[in-house]
Parts: sequence; C-alpha cells; structure tokens
Amino acid sequence: GAVVSQHPSRVICKSGTSVKIECRSLDFQATTMFWYRQFPKKSLMLMATSNEGSKATYEQGVEKDKFLINHASLTLSTLTVTSAHPEDSSFYICSASNTGAGNTIYFGEGSWLTVV
Amino acid sequence: QKEVEQDPGPLSVPEGAIVSLNCTYSNSAFQYFMWYRQYSRKGPELLMYTYSSGNKEDGRFTAQVDKSSKYISLFIRDSQPSDSATYLCAIADGSGGSNYKLTFGKGTLLTVNP
Repeated sequence: GAVVSQHPSRVICKSGTSVKIECRSLDFQATTMFWYRQFPKKSLMLMATSNEGSKATYEQGVEKDKFLINHASLTLSTLTVTSAHPEDSSFYICSASNTGAGNTIYFGEGSWLTVV
Repeated sequence: QKEVEQDPGPLSVPEGAIVSLNCTYSNSAFQYFMWYRQYSRKGPELLMYTYSSGNKEDGRFTAQVDKSSKYISLFIRDSQPSDSATYLCAIADGSGGSNYKLTFGKGTLLTVNP
C-alpha cells in the first residue's frame, strides 16, 4: 500500500532553535500534503495545506512565519518550526493525498518534538 | 453543532465481541468517509474508505454510511486485543480536487480485553 514517511520520528531541540521535519510520499506523487498537530489524547488539528510549487495555506490561528512549510517536489514537503518554544512541543503528523487512488489520504508515522 | 461528532469513549469490550463505533456529521456536502486507526504515539492508519451510502466490508471490518441520517459506523467483528487503539472517523466534502481537507472526529479509544 501507499507509504508516507516522516523524519525524524523524534527530535529534541533547545528553545530558540529551529527544527525541520520532512514528509515524503514513497510510492506515489502527492501534489497536496497536509500538516497536523496532535496533543495527547486529542484529535488531529490541521495546521496547513501544502501545495507543490506554491505557497502553503494556513489554518486560522496558525502562524505562518513560525511554521514554515515548503513543498519543493511532488514527493517531499517540509515543516520547519522556527524559534521553537516549549509550548511547541507536540506530535506533528503529515498526510499526503494520493490522486491516483481517488484522493485517498495516507498519514505518516508522526514526529515527536520536544523543546527544552 | 460541531461538524463531526464522535463519542470519545473509552470503550472496553471482551475479546471476540462485536464493536460498533459511530460518528454523526452536520454538513450534507460531505461525500468521502474514512476510518483511521491510531495506536498510541503513532500516525493514523487508513482502515476503510467509502464515498457512498451502504456497507463496505474488509475482513473483520465493515464501514456503514447513511447519508440521509448523516451517520457513519465502523463495525469490528471478532475483536482482538491488537484492535485496541483510538479510532478516528474522517470526512471530506471533496471540493477542490486533491486539495480537500479531512474533518476528524475526536476519536474513540477502544480497549479489547483478552
């Protein structure tokens, strides 16, 4: 089946630094990828929609200058958390839309970010 | 009223039981319906995907959609301890081609006891 890979799966960074999370669709091309944030025992919160070759569309309340999204190719989108703070610590999950399979959406394994 | 309502549980059943998980939605424009399973500290895994009213079966899982009632269900037969996870319903309206967004329920935490 379709596979979406995220890297790193876990990352610890210091306050004030930036960290990049990659999301790759391994066996299909994804013109659209989505970035979510999930707090413990809560549902997924959509942060932004990443479109290949164009600017990301951010959900209301999500700071685009803090959460930089780049979708440079049909198989890769990156999320950079800039000037990270402890409150940014969370589980970040990406998903990719497989247009060749009826727009079915597959998720990555998620990335745990801890800001210390 | 929230767009997608899902009882968060928790739901605890004995091994072998039939599990019924449900969501209701308010937007009649929704036309794609999915169920995801999420194990603790992992990303969601797609279980079932359907876009029409009726039943869709895959092994021990059956997804049911009733568009007239705006009600979707996931049934798990012969439940196993390995089915213990959070189950999320996800719905989309399909507008914008591949750019459609999923609206998630809060998820139901299921525990199957051996």
